[in-house]
Amino acid sequence: DTAVSQTPKYLVTQMGNDKSIKCEQNLGHDTMYWYKQDSKKFLKIMFSYNNKELIINETVPNRFSPKSPDKAHLNLHINSLELGDSAVYFCASSQWDYTGDTQYFGPGTRLTVL
Amino acid sequence: KQEVTQIPAALSVPEGENLVLNCSFTDSAIYNLQWFRQDPGKGLTSLLLIQSSQREQTSGRLNASLDKSSGRSTLYIAASQPGDSATYLCAVLGNQFYFGTGTSLTVIP
Repeated sequence: DTAVSQTPKYLVTQMGNDKSIKCEQNLGHDTMYWYKQDSKKFLKIMFSYNNKELIINETVPNRFSPKSPDKAHLNLHINSLELGDSAVYFCASSQWDYTGDTQYFGPGTRLTVL
Repeated sequence: KQEVTQIPAALSVPEGENLVLNCSFTDSAIYNLQWFRQDPGKGLTSLLLIQSSQREQTSGRLNASLDKSSGRSTLYIAASQPGDSATYLCAVLGNQFYFGTGTSLTVIP
């Protein structure tokens, strides 16, 4: 019954590694998002996809690359992890046009880079 | 650039009290404003969404208002319960989403 799911929930890894976080939504939504929540609890949007197409791409390092194999999935791949990448990453989805619809969030993935 | 501020950062109230959480934003050119709650170690749960053309939205004991011209929104929680304890975030949608840093609410039984 989970609407927006993310795996893994926790991810601990060494600097320099490459890792992926997966996100899936079963709500039939057209738009999906990735957010980063830093240690101060500040949430910032990273990417948004609508029907598998990138519509928002904030100023994030190009080490971060989103991949949307279909509109129900938006995975986040991170290359050459750095200490500053440690944060909680949230996936979210909304019905279609992001300007007017409620977003539904996943439980988050806590990434710790050692 | 849009800035979203939430005051207070933390709030502790006895059970049964009515309370108000505040959210202010600097750029009134927004599509909507959304209130979320975040429980420790969990994701965000959407509470209320107010479109830019609306003044308020209600859901159960929650009422959110929006005054776009002054760049303010309030979330009113009636008859607070211990289960309301969480961090409450507001977010505005302009050319992108901007979140406030949240208000941590503790309702004391």
